[in-house]
Amino acid sequence: DVKVTQSSRYLVKRTGEKVFLECVQDMDHENMFWYRQDPGLGLRLIYFSYDVKMKEKGDIPEGYSVSREKKERFSLILESASTNQTSMYLCASRDPTNEKLFFGSGTQLSVL
Amino acid sequence: LAKTTQPISMDSYEGQEVNITCSHNNIATNDYITWYQQFPSQGPRFIIQGYKTKVTNEVASLFIPADRKSSTLSLPRVSLSDTAVYYCLPRGNQGGKLIFGQGTELSVKP
Repeated sequence: DVKVTQSSRYLVKRTGEKVFLECVQDMDHENMFWYRQDPGLGLRLIYFSYDVKMKEKGDIPEGYSVSREKKERFSLILESASTNQTSMYLCASRDPTNEKLFFGSGTQLSVL
Repeated sequence: LAKTTQPISMDSYEGQEVNITCSHNNIATNDYITWYQQFPSQGPRFIIQGYKTKVTNEVASLFIPADRKSSTLSLPRVSLSDTAVYYCLPRGNQGGKLIFGQGTELSVKP
């Protein structure tokens, strides 16, 4: 089965810090996604990438950037963390043969 | 823009059948409909996928009417472990983006 690994399960950062969230998948999928999840708001798409060095904004890209230097790795970057970016962050990759999404376990980020 | 609409929450009791309906207007002709399940503190996981009529697997059934503007996830004889949030996702929603709705929070009581 596909494995999507997010580097940290819990992360605590201070306001203004630059934060890197890493995601790695092991199935050579081209499409990868970053979502954030907040109570009552469901899953909201931040950015997605359809190939190496290719990216597109999702619904809430403000305050975030991404990096896709290798196919297996998709990084989410918070340039200057703010308290309103405290959230659960979920990474996913998509299997092109059946359109299924495979999610990582998530990173719970707290910005103090 | 295509949009999905699901009930925010549902309550059930162990052993009952639960049906969760999702409305998805403007679904494209070749879009599949996929449902995901999410337990607390975990990422969503695939449950079932279909294109039309009925699909059944070991976990659930999926009913899709002829106009395909909605779909219904059916969970037979739910147990406490089925307590989770359920999301429907038409493939290709808004182009390459995959936009989830708010999901349905199912609570199963003893």
